[in-house]
Amino acid sequence: DTGVSQDPRHKITKRGQNVTFRCDPISEHNRLYWYRQTLGQGPEFLTYFQNEAQLEKSRLLSDRFSAERPKGSFSTLEIQRTEQGDSAMYLCASSLASQSVNEQFFGPGTRLTVL
Amino acid sequence: SQQGEEDPQALSIQEGENATMNCSYKTSINNLQWYRQNSGRGLVHLILIRSNEREKHSGRLRVTLDTSKKSSSLLITASRAADTASYFCAEGPNQGGKLIFGQGTELSVKP
Repeated sequence: DTGVSQDPRHKITKRGQNVTFRCDPISEHNRLYWYRQTLGQGPEFLTYFQNEAQLEKSRLLSDRFSAERPKGSFSTLEIQRTEQGDSAMYLCASSLASQSVNEQFFGPGTRLTVL
Repeated sequence: SQQGEEDPQALSIQEGENATMNCSYKTSINNLQWYRQNSGRGLVHLILIRSNEREKHSGRLRVTLDTSKKSSSLLITASRAADTASYFCAEGPNQGGKLIFGQGTELSVKP
């Protein structure tokens, strides 16, 4: 499968714990995006990378959130001291910036439940 | 919130009927896109329309764009049960590549 993959697919954690999610983009894609989606809403942009560089962060990304893409391939999203409000689906997408269309391909998401 | 609005929030139709979903957005766009999300699956790109285009077709899909009203519509003709999903419009990408999604329309097509 050459699509975007995310791991884990589901994560249940207790409030106050740290969690880390991984995203593997389509191999030749140089842009990688993180979005968060709560029930009944559309995805909301969190941050994106072009290669290793984190080029934009949303105000939604509080100090407890950090994202990395150390080698310009996979990315991790860490949430420290989780809160119940962090419960959501975390979506990753990738694209090829050189394309005129810049279509973003989404992974299946990681569903986080904070108890 | 930067999110646009979609109308209706939920739509239930019979197989074979047409489904129309509307989207209003807030920013000045270069592109507007439509995505579909099935239960348990990721978002799938359907169609992109550029700001200088007024209408675009792809198979059974027809998208219109009115930049003066900051609105777009998605028409699905001859709907099928497999079209049951949530449909989202997304502004962008503008600068930087991020997408700004609407709140979505939940479409149910009954066989």
